[in-house]
Amino acid sequence: AQSVSQHNHHVILSEAASLELGCNYSYGGTVNLFWYVQYPGQHLQLLLKYFSGDPLVKGIKGFEAEFIKSKFSFNLRKPSVQWSDTAEYFCAVNARNTDKLIFGTGTRLQVFP
Amino acid sequence: ETGVTQTPRHLVMGMTNKKSLKCEQHLGHNAMYWYKQSAKKPLELMFVYNFKEQTENNSVPSRFSPECPNSSHLFLHLHTLQPEDSALYLCASSQDRLATGGANVLTFGAGSRLTVL
Repeated sequence: AQSVSQHNHHVILSEAASLELGCNYSYGGTVNLFWYVQYPGQHLQLLLKYFSGDPLVKGIKGFEAEFIKSKFSFNLRKPSVQWSDTAEYFCAVNARNTDKLIFGTGTRLQVFP
Repeated sequence: ETGVTQTPRHLVMGMTNKKSLKCEQHLGHNAMYWYKQSAKKPLELMFVYNFKEQTENNSVPSRFSPECPNSSHLFLHLHTLQPEDSALYLCASSQDRLATGGANVLTFGAGSRLTVL
């Protein structure tokens, strides 16, 4: 069965620091990959997605993620975080030809001014 | 407002009650989903519907009964729940089911916070 691991459960940064959140999945076949964000008191929103092509994908608000197939990873990065990036971040994986979107446990990011 | 509306936003029920959660999407999507979000656990997929037909049931106990009368509406009927069923229940929709390929993305509602006493 597919699974998704997010190793960082809680990350605390100062504004302008760089961010990298880890995401690894277990599935040997072709996958679609997603990062969702949940700001305090708000619904889950799509941050970025990978379906095919360039493994480096750019999303909203300056976020990007890189798909490394050999490492089964899809890490999220941002060169300089802002206080408004404080939120919970979820990695999700869909094995092609299935209807299941499987989520990781999430990483809570706190950014201090 | 995401285009996916869930009601009620909060629900408190006893273990012997029967209640329902409602989800409506205004996006013209064909596939709809129920997820359960509990503290410290990943979002758990419960059910998937495509054009009113169920395509996934992720081993959900029968005390949860989904209903999808059309592509725009999805219900989750609840009866004889347990306290451990207390969670945030999220509805989502996508243009087409994920298995069809293509660039399908889930759009989520704000959720219904359920407390079972």
